[in-house]
Amino acid sequence: AQTVTQSQPEMSVQEAETVTLSCTYDTSESDYYLFWYKQPPSRQMILVIRQEAYKQQNATENRFSVNFQKAAKSFSLKISDSQLGDAAMYFCAYWTGANSKLTFGKGITLSVRP
Amino acid sequence: DTAVSQTPKYLVTQMGNDKSIKCEQNLGHDTMYWYKQDSKKFLKIMFSYNNKELIINETVPNRFSPKSPDKAHLNLHINSLELGDSAVYFCASSHSDRGNSPLHFGNGTRLTVT
Repeated sequence: AQTVTQSQPEMSVQEAETVTLSCTYDTSESDYYLFWYKQPPSRQMILVIRQEAYKQQNATENRFSVNFQKAAKSFSLKISDSQLGDAAMYFCAYWTGANSKLTFGKGITLSVRP
Repeated sequence: DTAVSQTPKYLVTQMGNDKSIKCEQNLGHDTMYWYKQDSKKFLKIMFSYNNKELIINETVPNRFSPKSPDKAHLNLHINSLELGDSAVYFCASSHSDRGNSPLHFGNGTRLTVT
């Protein structure tokens, strides 16, 4: 079965510090893409970052970067210089060519302490 | 301009009623989706359409019927509503059904069945 696992239900970080959110996935496909989505209290789903599995270089978007470990099937999100506006639920997701759909993990709630 | 808009934002109705949620995207995307987010925030795909054709139909009760009159619209009709249908329903679109096309989500419709 193809799954996405986010084992930490909640995390907390001090403003201006760095936090890493974990995600592991399980697939036998070679063609897949990985994503992190953010859902703030407004409930809007916002794409944070994406990673193509065939690329070795870790994706980076401003303060957000990923640590993609393909052999370990791990895809963690690092948020640097955390801001109050980063407080949200974060979902890890992946897409494979086998079923052409985006499968989400259960999400992790991130709180930012001022 | 809202890229993916869905209406209504909130929907409260009684068991047994029939209701519809409308979705429109102005991004020129070929693929549209319906996702359901349950009370535990778990997101699961329900349907996807590519160029008005149904390509994904997950295990969803046949009380749920999507309709795509054109590429820019994907509506969701629900018959004989049940308490368990209470959830947030998200419409989304992407350029194609390939993994390199990130999903753009609407703001969700919170459906409450009493």
